[in-house]
Amino acid sequence: QSVLTQPPSASGTPGQRVTISCSGSNSNIGSDTVNWHQQLPGTAPKLLIYSNNQRPSGVPDRFSGSQSGTSASLAISGLQSEDEADYYCAAWDDSLNGVVFGGGTKLTVL
Amino acid sequence: QVQLQESGPGLVKPSETLSLTCTVSGGSISSNSSYWTWIRQPPGKGLEWIGHIYYSGSTNYNPSLKSRVTISLATSKNQFSLKLSSVTAADTAVYYCARYKEDDSRFYPDYWGQGTPVTVSS
Repeated sequence: QSVLTQPPSASGTPGQRVTISCSGSNSNIGSDTVNWHQQLPGTAPKLLIYSNNQRPSGVPDRFSGSQSGTSASLAISGLQSEDEADYYCAAWDDSLNGVVFGGGTKLTVL
Repeated sequence: QVQLQESGPGLVKPSETLSLTCTVSGGSISSNSSYWTWIRQPPGKGLEWIGHIYYSGSTNYNPSLKSRVTISLATSKNQFSLKLSSVTAADTAVYYCARYKEDDSRFYPDYWGQGTPVTVSS
């Protein structure tokens, strides 16, 4: 049971816009920023979004993040086949005094 | 460009201690904005934060693992290590090391190692 809650799966067709949600509490998303990670099959996770809505260098602007209250979301526009991966949200938790992750969302491009 | 590389035994017997090392290149492990972190991923499951160590030596551990975990620095070798004692099959996972950067109240892992699989089995 993960501290942050994500839907286990999401899907979309090429070109479509997809949104993945991440729900937490006042001790994590409600008080600290959210990071999103992309994990392609068989590879290490890669930082996709940090500090709620910042993209590291090299991440396409098709990827965007937002945060409101105790929830956050990742949006992917212009969906491409190479976006098929697992996506994880994460945040610092002030109560646990550590990083907590969502359970991950498997994105399928139909 | 910072690079991280995990190393250690791929097979550990139940009740023994898992020991892994992360070698950092392209940057100093003594950087005052870096938290050197271990994260693991059991087969087919999600990510779990194990803990981190700051350049000063201060540590934070996952409460669920705290009694069994030790993370330490070897600054002369630009390495940090993980020890997890009394392992069971539930500790079988891919273990990643990562650098979390603290920057103007932002806290995020900008560099990851490739991961090393560890199996606990007799």
